[in-house]
Amino acid sequence: DAGVTQSPTHLIKTRGQQVTLRCSPKSGHDTVSWYQQALGQGPQFIFQYYEEEERQRGNFPDRFSGHQFPNYSSELNVNALLLGDSALYLCASSLAWSGNTGELFFGEGSRLTVL
Amino acid sequence: GQQVMQIPQYQHVQEGEDFTTYCNSSTTLSNIQWYKQRPGGHPVFLIQLVKSGEVKKQKRLTFQFGEAKKNSSLHITATQTTDVGTYFCAGPGNKLVFGAGTILRVKS
Repeated sequence: DAGVTQSPTHLIKTRGQQVTLRCSPKSGHDTVSWYQQALGQGPQFIFQYYEEEERQRGNFPDRFSGHQFPNYSSELNVNALLLGDSALYLCASSLAWSGNTGELFFGEGSRLTVL
Repeated sequence: GQQVMQIPQYQHVQEGEDFTTYCNSSTTLSNIQWYKQRPGGHPVFLIQLVKSGEVKKQKRLTFQFGEAKKNSSLHITATQTTDVGTYFCAGPGNKLVFGAGTILRVKS
């Protein structure tokens, strides 16, 4: 049973560029959440997707956007990259029926460095 | 908005010593979750507490949820080198609010 998989694992971009990160949820999970974890900090919620729609959003600018596909996989897009976007981006999957009581299963993350 | 604070930020203990991290919320929590993140790894779910005053144990780990459901603690008895990592508490909801975490280092 595959867990949450993310790609790429590492990438380097320059300021102003755009990046797309990908996530496949744990088998059987239908909800995908994205988190940004800066060095030495806890994960910060970006947004959550369910049934191909953004259901909740954290305090992130519109430069951060996403998508969920019919197979529940998801993408995170960040436009006009800033130095401060350098972080570990974590994808977490869960089951929608569990509401706010279900555990999150995290992927290994995509480490983005913006130069 | 909801905030979750954790103390201490960092603790370095001798192997065999006990360790405790505390989590405090600005609002009453319907439930709280704890995660562990090993260095270079990703957060891994440890446990969820739901009931006021709840205490749960996992081998050497003891988790408590406060009576007012605004605070929680994780206590590790007789730490081992395998306990090294960052421990996060996270508030409830579809968008978990994580604390900043407590980094645990264990000297052997």
